[in-house]
Amino acid sequence: DSGVTQTPKHLITATGQRVTLRCSPRSGDLSVYWYQQSLDQGLQFLIQYYNGEERAKGNILERFSAQQFPDLHSELNLSSLELGDSALYFCASSVARDRGEVGYTFGSGTRLTVV
Amino acid sequence: ELKVEQNPLFLSMQEGKNYTIYCNYSTTSDRLYWYRQDPGKSLESLFVLLSNGAVKQEGRLMASLDTKARLSTLHITAAVHDLSATYFCAVDMLVIQGAQKLVFGQGTRLTINP
Repeated sequence: DSGVTQTPKHLITATGQRVTLRCSPRSGDLSVYWYQQSLDQGLQFLIQYYNGEERAKGNILERFSAQQFPDLHSELNLSSLELGDSALYFCASSVARDRGEVGYTFGSGTRLTVV
Repeated sequence: ELKVEQNPLFLSMQEGKNYTIYCNYSTTSDRLYWYRQDPGKSLESLFVLLSNGAVKQEGRLMASLDTKARLSTLHITAAVHDLSATYFCAVDMLVIQGAQKLVFGQGTRLTINP
């Protein structure tokens, strides 16, 4: 157990639907990151939150949104789902880089299948 | 934009042999990570390399970093079947103060045959 908890582990849904993926970071980590892993795009950074605030954005589609709550857990919302959104979605957490600590801890991922 | 390129992308080797995976990146960074991923599983951190000339070893794996050449290597010594997995390098990119992201290479799928 890495300390980063993602739920659900698997999700199967139909095109056009909306889903929410959840991530609880490792205790003490203030930053949460979302990554998408697909066969054609590889591992792509989606978005970073730090202590409730959005800090960095990658190639995240407008149909996708995220937030980090006061208890530091994060949710990634995917809407108007398309077949191409099928992927493994990872959450990672870290302490703040400017604190001089290093390392990202990844959760076990949510496998999303859109049918 | 930072680009991270690994080669080879596929590697099939025999047990007992040595080989090296290369990771090139396009802009300056002071942190480079190596991860292992088994099929359908999460990313397991192998090494964090923080400075030029850094070398770290764990078992049959050794990683090094040359920041001037923007090159990291992952060397496998006397490979065993259990090392079969996909290996990723990732460069830590500081976007702005307090904002950062990992940029991953394409991954190297390593298969070790008896």
